[in-house]
This record gives sequence, C-alpha cells and structure tokens, in this order.
Amino acid sequence: QVQLVQSGAEVKKPGASVRVSCTASGFIFATYLIPWVRQAPGQGLEWMGWVTTDNRSTNYAENFRGRVTMTTDLSTNTAFMELRSLRSDDTAIYYCARQWSLNNFDPWGQGTLVTVSS
Amino acid sequence: QSALTQPASVSGSPGQSITISCTGTSSDIGGYDSVSWYQHHPGKAPKLMIFDVTNRPSGVSNRFSGSKSGNTASLTISGLQAEDEANYYCSSYSTSVTVVFGGGTKVTVL
Repeated sequence: QVQLVQSGAEVKKPGASVRVSCTASGFIFATYLIPWVRQAPGQGLEWMGWVTTDNRSTNYAENFRGRVTMTTDLSTNTAFMELRSLRSDDTAIYYCARQWSLNNFDPWGQGTLVTVSS
Repeated sequence: QSALTQPASVSGSPGQSITISCTGTSSDIGGYDSVSWYQHHPGKAPKLMIFDVTNRPSGVSNRFSGSKSGNTASLTISGLQAEDEANYYCSSYSTSVTVVFGGGTKVTVL
C-alpha cells in the first residue's frame, strides 16, 4: 500500500523553528519528488516547494525562500521540511505528497498541524 | 490571492451535473497540459481526481471529467452524489518550475 505518514502536531512560539517529517512506504522512494503544501485556517492550498529524494535539488516557492529547507533521508525513506522564524500566519496544516510528472501529487500524507502562538 | 481563479462555491441537486472552472494565464494553464484537480474533505488528505487535464487515476469514478480551453480548465461532476460534497482545488504547472493552486471551490449537494 502506497502511503505517506507524517509526524504529529506541533505548537511553537513565534521566532522558533519546526521540522515536520514524512515517511514513505509501498513504493520506490528514490524515483519521485516530494513536494510540500500547506493550508492555513480557512484558506486554500499553497505550494511550498519540492525536494528530490536524492537531495541533489530543491525548488522553493518565492514566499518561503530563505526560511524553508527540505531534505530527505534515503536510508529511512523519510522527507523533512524545516520552517524557521515562525510567525502566527504560519499556523497551518502542512502536507507532504508524492509527486510524479510535472504537477501530480498522489498520494498525500495525512497532514501535520503546526500552531504558532505565544 | 491565489494564482488560479476558481468560483468560491458551486451547488447542485443529486443526479445533476456541475462544472467548476479554473482560470489562469498563458504561463500556467494555457502553456502546459499539466492541470490537476484535487478533492478535499476537511480533516482528510487531498485526493487526486484528474491529472494532466483529462486523465483519471485508477479508482476514481468516471463521473469526474476534466477539460481545458485556452487559459481555463474545468472539472465536471456528473450524476452528483452526496459523497461528492467537498472542496475542490485545481493546480497547474507554471513557468519557473513551480506549481500554482486555485483558491478552492466548495461543492454543495442540495
């Protein structure tokens, strides 16, 4: 069964960093991209970027450049997304997915709620 | 403000057909045959319903179909069912090797 399982909910203070993990199973991890997408409360989906599973390449959305780092660990089939200098408007559900072709995300992880609050 | 424009809501009665539009530019929808549609029930993971404009993944009902004309893509749901009530998002590959999403459309089954 192809699936992505994400780490649990996080509560962080403004200015802190958060690291979300995404562990894959049921497919050959090394042959896909792993994108990250977030959804703030009451808002739509926002693409954050992607990382190649060999860690050789990343592509971040302009809104997140300088604050986000996406990495993978082939030995554990796990992808990570670290977001720094958190603000209250970073409160959102963060999703990883398996990307194939230019723009096809399937399946998605279950989502990780990150709450930023003082 | 989302890069792709979708109507905020669309509704229909059971058995009817509805169409959701998704408007972009020549830098995204109009420039690539790479439009996807996702169904999202609150609290669950989004689900891919249409990829590469017109294709359905295995297991997705043939009541869902996609199309594109110029800078606008569309998702049609025929034979509307109660279980189709959800939020639907379009996305497109875009220049600069990025992906853009629409703002989402809430589908209500009356």
